[in-house]
Amino acid sequence: DSGVTQTPKHLITATGQRVTLRCSPRSGDLSVYWYQQSLDQGLQFLIQYYNGEERAKGNILERFSAQQFPDLHSELNLSSLELGDSALYFCASSVEGRYGNTIYFGEGSWLTVV
Amino acid sequence: EDQVTQSPEALRLQEGESSSLNCSYTVSGLRGLFWYRQDPGKGPEFLFTLYSAGEEKEKERLKATLTKKESFLHITAPKPEDSATYLCAVQFRSGSARQLTFGSGTQLTVLP
Repeated sequence: DSGVTQTPKHLITATGQRVTLRCSPRSGDLSVYWYQQSLDQGLQFLIQYYNGEERAKGNILERFSAQQFPDLHSELNLSSLELGDSALYFCASSVEGRYGNTIYFGEGSWLTVV
Repeated sequence: EDQVTQSPEALRLQEGESSSLNCSYTVSGLRGLFWYRQDPGKGPEFLFTLYSAGEEKEKERLKATLTKKESFLHITAPKPEDSATYLCAVQFRSGSARQLTFGSGTQLTVLP
């Protein structure tokens, strides 16, 4: 158990709908990352938040948005869903150490768009 | 362009047959190189972080090494439970961003 908690574990929804994925980072971790993993794309970085502020952005679609709340949990919002958005969405968290950081992943949220 | 390439894509070993997985990278500035293990439908499980050329880290049957251009994950006397996809990722020296860029992984199968 990495200590990173993601909900829901599985989600099936229709095209055009909107869903919210939730992530609770490990206790004390200030950074939260979101990644998408599909069969043909591997693990793709979407966005990073640090202590409530956006720190880095990857190939995140405009239909997707995220935020990190004062209690450090994060939500990834996916709207106007398309079939191609079906994937595993991972949240990860880390804390900055003097000599580097270690990034731990949650178990993911399976999104199926039908 | 920063890239991470893993080889081979797939590897089948007999139990006890040692081997190595390769991760080569071309980045303008490396902050750290990470190895993860991923089982089907599960999240990546952290194994190692290497920060400088010449560094080595070990955990049970696994040993990771780092040079200026590549990293190796050596698997000694593997067991069937070592079967998984092994992912390599790099973290760039880029301001305050700390995201990882992943390779496509090596799918390891250890046969009993």
